[in-house]
Amino acid sequence: AQSVTQLDSQVPVFEEAPVELRCNYSSSVSVYLFWYVQYPNQGLQLLLKYLSGSTLVKGINGFEAEFNKSQTSFHLRKPSVHISDTAEYFCAVILMNRDDKIIFGKGTRLHILP
Amino acid sequence: NAGVTQTPKFQVLKTGQSMTLQCAQDMNHNSMYWYRQDPGMGLRLIYYSASEGTTDKGEVPNGYNVSRLNKREFSLRLESAAPSQTSVYFCASSARTRAHEQFFGPGTRLTVL
Repeated sequence: AQSVTQLDSQVPVFEEAPVELRCNYSSSVSVYLFWYVQYPNQGLQLLLKYLSGSTLVKGINGFEAEFNKSQTSFHLRKPSVHISDTAEYFCAVILMNRDDKIIFGKGTRLHILP
Repeated sequence: NAGVTQTPKFQVLKTGQSMTLQCAQDMNHNSMYWYRQDPGMGLRLIYYSASEGTTDKGEVPNGYNVSRLNKREFSLRLESAAPSQTSVYFCASSARTRAHEQFFGPGTRLTVL
């Protein structure tokens, strides 16, 4: 069965420090990959996505993610975080042969420490 | 262009009461979804509609019904609310031409006493 695993439920990091949020997926078919962000008391919004091509994807607010097919990972990174990055981050996949449903991970809450 | 709108924003029900959550999108999207979000559980798909006139069950459909009224609107009904349905409910829509990016509404926070 297909699944998405976000290894950390919470990640504390100091302001201006780098951060990596980890995501691994399990699928027998090729996938599209996404990261969504949810700011407090809001809905989710797309941060970045990988469909094909370059495995390094750049998104909004200085975030980027790298698709690693051999490790079935799609980790999210930012070189220097800001207090405004405080949010919950969700990794998600869509199966290429079943393009009507998205599978979300359980989310990683990013805490920015002053 | 309002995107995805949901009503109401907040609701408190007593056990056994019924209610309908409304969702509308103005982006001409084919697919619409209902999720519930609970602490530590992420988002779980309740029902989805791949196109007007079709609906399918998601991961947690029990206790819910949906109606795809037209291309714009997708409602979620709780026939007999239970405390286990206390949650935040999100509606979303997507168009396949946008490589399946989902656009989310602001959510409805539902408490069942």
